[in-house]
Amino acid sequence: DGGITQSPKYLFRKEGQNVTLSCEQNLNHDAMYWYRQDPGQGLRLIYYSQIVNDFQKGDIAEGYSVSREKKESFPLTVTSAQKNPTAFYLCASSMSFITSIYGYTFGSGTRLTVV
Amino acid sequence: QKEVEQDPGPLSVPEGAIVSLNCTYSNSAFQYFMWYRQYSRKGPELLMYTYSSGNKEDGRFTAQVDKSSKYISLFIRDSQPSDSATYLCAMSVGNTPLVFGKGTRLSVIA
Repeated sequence: DGGITQSPKYLFRKEGQNVTLSCEQNLNHDAMYWYRQDPGQGLRLIYYSQIVNDFQKGDIAEGYSVSREKKESFPLTVTSAQKNPTAFYLCASSMSFITSIYGYTFGSGTRLTVV
Repeated sequence: QKEVEQDPGPLSVPEGAIVSLNCTYSNSAFQYFMWYRQYSRKGPELLMYTYSSGNKEDGRFTAQVDKSSKYISLFIRDSQPSDSATYLCAMSVGNTPLVFGKGTRLSVIA
């Protein structure tokens, strides 16, 4: 079955640590996205990638970094510069950036908690 | 003013009720409108997609867009406990990532 796999489902980070959230898709989609979801805040865009080896900052990119070396993979690193990283992180994809107008496919999310 | 406004609820209705969920937006360039359903601790799933103004029906769900009022709605008929979830509206101008509302949490009580 085609879909998006996010791992791990739950992640705990100590203050000052960098952590990387994995996002893999087997849908052959060109475009991929990272959103952060906080209670009462909705989905906020962190980074997106229209194509391999290309990515753009979203609305809340500070303290995060991404790479897009393979079409299937779009990992997100939460760095120690992100002051309030506890949140639910969602990865999504669309066939292309233009066809995102037809909606995204989302993964099941990673819940990150700072301990 | 935020681009997309959505009442977070929570909204609680009895089983069988008609549910109305709404979003307003400020950017008149939005042309593509979507509704997503998100169960607790899961990723959102696309429920309805509408282009420009008008209605679209799919089973118990009807999506309505009124571009003149910058207002979109999702109606759920004969609501079921399995409809209990958070409903997110999303929209796009066509060459930018989707912009999401905050989501409305719905509980359908048996």
